[in-house]
Amino acid sequence: AQSVTQPDIHITVSEGASLELRCNYSYGATPYLFWYVQSPGQGLQLLLKYFSGDTLVQGIKGFEAEFKRSQSSFNLRKPSVHWSDAAEYFCAVVRGGSQGNLIFGKGTKLSVKP
Amino acid sequence: DAGVIQSPRHEVTEMGQEVTLRCKPISGHDYLFWYRQTMMRGLELLIYFNNNVPIDDSGMPEDRFSAKMPNASFSTLKIQPSEPRDSAVYFCASSSAGGLYNEQFFGPGTRLTVL
Repeated sequence: AQSVTQPDIHITVSEGASLELRCNYSYGATPYLFWYVQSPGQGLQLLLKYFSGDTLVQGIKGFEAEFKRSQSSFNLRKPSVHWSDAAEYFCAVVRGGSQGNLIFGKGTKLSVKP
Repeated sequence: DAGVIQSPRHEVTEMGQEVTLRCKPISGHDYLFWYRQTMMRGLELLIYFNNNVPIDDSGMPEDRFSAKMPNASFSTLKIQPSEPRDSAVYFCASSSAGGLYNEQFFGPGTRLTVL
């Protein structure tokens, strides 16, 4: 069965430090991959997505993610974290084909220290 | 555009009561999704519609849950009878052509508490 794993439940980084949030998926073919962010009390907002092509994807708010097929990973990165980035981050996978199946990871909560 | 609108934002009810959650998608979006978010299970896709027609309801937990989309601008998720384990935040989202493969725009959610 396909799944999405976000190994880190909670991460704390200092403002200005770099960030990497991990996401691993299990699926045989090339999946469709997403990163969403959820601020407290709000719905989710898309940061970026990967379908094919260049494996380094740029998103909004200065985020990027890299698809690595050999590692079944799609890690999210940001070179310098801002206090406003404190939120929960979700990786999601859609299985390709005529009937899609969307699965979200359990999320990683990011705290930012001043 | 006002974005996806959900009502109510908070609902507290007693076990056994009927609960109806409402959603207005973004105008022009063809797809509408209902999700449930809990600490234990995370974010789960319950059902989604394309052009008002249910496409996949395999995520609906049991027969107590039902969803309808009578027109392009309105959908409901109903729980009858409600149980304490239904307590969660329920999100509605919509997207344009592409459905699951396209960006989804989420509403603010309805926090449901069943006592």
